[in-house]
Amino acid sequence: GQQVMQIPQYQHVQEGEDFTTYCNSSTTLSNIQWYKQRPGGHPVFLIQLVKSGEVKKQKRLTFQFGEAKKNSSLHITATQTTDVGTYFCAGYLSDTGNQFYFGTGTSLTVIP
Amino acid sequence: EAQVTQNPRYLITVTGKKLTVTCSQNMNHEYMSWYRQDPGLGLRQIYYSMNVEVTDKGDVPEGYKVSRKEKRNFPLILESPSPNQTSLYFCASSDRDPFQETQYFGPGTRLLVL
Repeated sequence: GQQVMQIPQYQHVQEGEDFTTYCNSSTTLSNIQWYKQRPGGHPVFLIQLVKSGEVKKQKRLTFQFGEAKKNSSLHITATQTTDVGTYFCAGYLSDTGNQFYFGTGTSLTVIP
Repeated sequence: EAQVTQNPRYLITVTGKKLTVTCSQNMNHEYMSWYRQDPGLGLRQIYYSMNVEVTDKGDVPEGYKVSRKEKRNFPLILESPSPNQTSLYFCASSDRDPFQETQYFGPGTRLLVL
């Protein structure tokens, strides 16, 4: 079954509203990476978190890695139309060797 | 320009007809990987390669083969494609394993198996 789940699957927001996607793993993650995929495009790396409880910011984006390293979140403040796309979390599960797992993704639509 | 290329970009085929999707990177990366993307399931790893002549199964390897004879190339082979292999396929590479380095993705190959 799917090892890394994301919620929500879809999110529509008005431009200027905030947005959050949550990533949950069935087992401990060694690391967590976040990717953005624009419609019709390929995934593009955004950031990596490694430490328990780590928080990183990139302009309007805030990334958090849970204390137990089983969950993560991406929060976008004051969304813009350029934020449209699907956001994926990804990482290694501690008990699966070198297999790399992606989350199910959250598709964000920003209404102007 | 540093990039990962895939060919073909689009492919329609019939059940059982062997096909190969090529992947090439010009960044001298050691790690390469294949993923398939299906709605609601995200990207799932098919096979990966830590270096030349070293390949390992990912999460969904059934029905696929790969080879890594040269550092820059990592072809994906479907010996006998079936309709459930209709999907969007991405090749990716990184300097070392994704734990330490970001992965760079190719543009994708959209495959339809009739």
